[in-house]
Amino acid sequence: KAGVTQTPRYLIKTRGQQVTLSCSPISGHRSVSWYQQTPGQGLQFLFEYFSETQRNKGNFPGRFSGRQFSNSRSEMNVSTLELGDSALYLCASSFNTAEETQYFGPGTRLLVL
Amino acid sequence: QKEVEQNSGPLSVPEGAIASLNCTYSDRGSQSFFWYRQYSGKSPELIMSIYSNGDKEDGRFTAQLNKASQYVSLLIRDSQPSDSATYLCAVNRKSSGDKLTFGTGTRLAVRP
Repeated sequence: KAGVTQTPRYLIKTRGQQVTLSCSPISGHRSVSWYQQTPGQGLQFLFEYFSETQRNKGNFPGRFSGRQFSNSRSEMNVSTLELGDSALYLCASSFNTAEETQYFGPGTRLLVL
Repeated sequence: QKEVEQNSGPLSVPEGAIASLNCTYSDRGSQSFFWYRQYSGKSPELIMSIYSNGDKEDGRFTAQLNKASQYVSLLIRDSQPSDSATYLCAVNRKSSGDKLTFGTGTRLAVRP
């Protein structure tokens, strides 16, 4: 079974731009969670989607948003990029809930200049 | 108090030794506990999950959970240089909805 895939793998943007990241979960998984990982803060939860609905949200500003499609694929968008948004963005999928085992994708490394 | 706490390390052990990694959590209602391993520049990969008090063994890895003490640990027997990585403890915190909260990780270095 194919694992979680994320595109693109690397991205360079400038301040003020916006970016969209994509995640395809493991086949059959309906829950998709997004995390931001930085050296200083570690892994921080952004949001979780299940059946096209945002089920949970972390403490991030409204510039961070996401959505999930009927095939469980998910996108996250960051608008008005700031230097501090430079990070590794990880997507994880699980069958039904975040309580179950989550499997991570390879991540998208975003650099904001 | 942090929600999930880990010693950042580095924890240095000689090859063949037992590495002991610890994690404490603040929410007594937590029910699911996970250990992930993350190599530098890679994404986290699941090592073990544990849901009930006691020990759970999988090969060279043993997870231990003590809900009364709000403590979960990971033991790695016969440590190998390939075990050198950052180990992340993750806890499902029911009080904040159905999501995982991660500790900042413990860096393990296994000396040949």
